[in-house]
Amino acid sequence: DGGITQSPKYLFRKEGQNVTLSCEQNLNHDAMYWYRQDPGQGLRLIYYSQIVNDFQKGDIAEGYSVSREKKESFPLTVTSAQKNPTAFYLCASSIAGVGNQPQHFGDGTRLSIL
Amino acid sequence: AQSVTQLGSHVSVSEGALVLLRCNYSSSVPPYLFWYVQYPNQGLQLLLKYTSAATLVKGINGFEAEFKKSETSFHLTKPSAHMSDAAEYFCAVSGNAGNMLTFGGGTRLMVKP
Repeated sequence: DGGITQSPKYLFRKEGQNVTLSCEQNLNHDAMYWYRQDPGQGLRLIYYSQIVNDFQKGDIAEGYSVSREKKESFPLTVTSAQKNPTAFYLCASSIAGVGNQPQHFGDGTRLSIL
Repeated sequence: AQSVTQLGSHVSVSEGALVLLRCNYSSSVPPYLFWYVQYPNQGLQLLLKYTSAATLVKGINGFEAEFKKSETSFHLTKPSAHMSDAAEYFCAVSGNAGNMLTFGGGTRLMVKP
């Protein structure tokens, strides 16, 4: 079955620690996205990538970093500079450059502070 | 620029009653519109999409939505609510220049027995 796999499902971060959230897709999509979801605030775009080896900042990129070395993988690192990382993180993918194609979502990673 | 407004962060209906979730959009180009559903601790699942074909769009689980350009609306309806419909629903818009989505703030649907 084609889809998006996010791991781990739950993650805990200590003060001053960087953590990396994994996102893998086998849908052969060029575009991938990371969103942050907080209660009552909908989804906010952190980073996106339309093609391998290229990515762009979204609305709330500060304190986060990404890489896109392979088409199927788009890991997100939450750095120690992100002072309020507790949230639900969602990864998505889609066909690139075509507005009528939906984004497909993984099941999310819930990050909490220890 | 694009934006989406979902009126009502919480909607409560009785089982068997009509479900109406409101979505209004703003877009400088002809929009593509999507409704997604999210169950607790899960990702978003596509319910339906409007891509400039028929203005009345049918989706999964008995949901449908009607695109009304004059009202800049894309409200989601279901004739008869089931307990399993309890979830959060998101409306989203994208422009024809690309596949970036702008999401509304979401509406949590509660279904009473």
